Amino acid sequence: EAGVAQSPRYKIIEKRQSVAFWCNPISGHATLYWYQQILGQGPKLLIQFQNNGVVDDSQLPKDRFSAERLKGVDSTLKIQPAKLEDSAVYLCASSSPDRMNTQYQYFGPGTRLLVL
Amino acid sequence: GENVEQHPSTLSVQEGDSAVIKCTYSDSASNYFPWYKQELGKRPQLIIDIRSNVGEKKDQRIAVTLNKTAKHFSLHITETQPEDSAVYFCAASRGTGGGNKLTFGTGTQLKVEL
Repeated sequence: EAGVAQSPRYKIIEKRQSVAFWCNPISGHATLYWYQQILGQGPKLLIQFQNNGVVDDSQLPKDRFSAERLKGVDSTLKIQPAKLEDSAVYLCASSSPDRMNTQYQYFGPGTRLLVL
Repeated sequence: GENVEQHPSTLSVQEGDSAVIKCTYSDSASNYFPWYKQELGKRPQLIIDIRSNVGEKKDQRIAVTLNKTAKHFSLHITETQPEDSAVYFCAASRGTGGGNKLTFGTGTQLKVEL
């Protein structure tokens, strides 16, 4: 089965510019997650979608970050305007419950963002 | 919210030795504990997980133990090999009841030396 796809893989921007990341989850996975992974740290959940609805966005800096999943499949994450501290790898993951209702999260390759 | 602490931050072992990584969690409602391996520049990959209704799970050279009372869980790798070198993350979740949000530890850089 095809994995989670993300683009672009790398992005370099200057502070105060805007940037957008795209994610295509594994086919049939209803749940989609965006994580931020700062160098040397574990991934931190930014937002979780169930189909096209938001389940959890409590750690999303809503003054500059936004995300959508309009048709319940692909998703985009936007940062506007970017700050130096937004430099990180942005990981997308998707999941679907197994017969025991556990949702294994499969990660995409990530987008490495550098803000100068 | 949930807080997961992970130790040690770096671990160096000789090939063939065992490696143990420990994590503690704060939310007593957490019931699902996966472990991810992340090689440099690559995506995290699930290597083993455990649910709160069991105390131990094994998969070849990898095992995970869970102590619900103490709220800690550990990853054990036996007969380590150079390809085990990577960063390992533990995580905790309330499972479906809590929206399956994963809270990750800070990671352990494992280096297996020849």
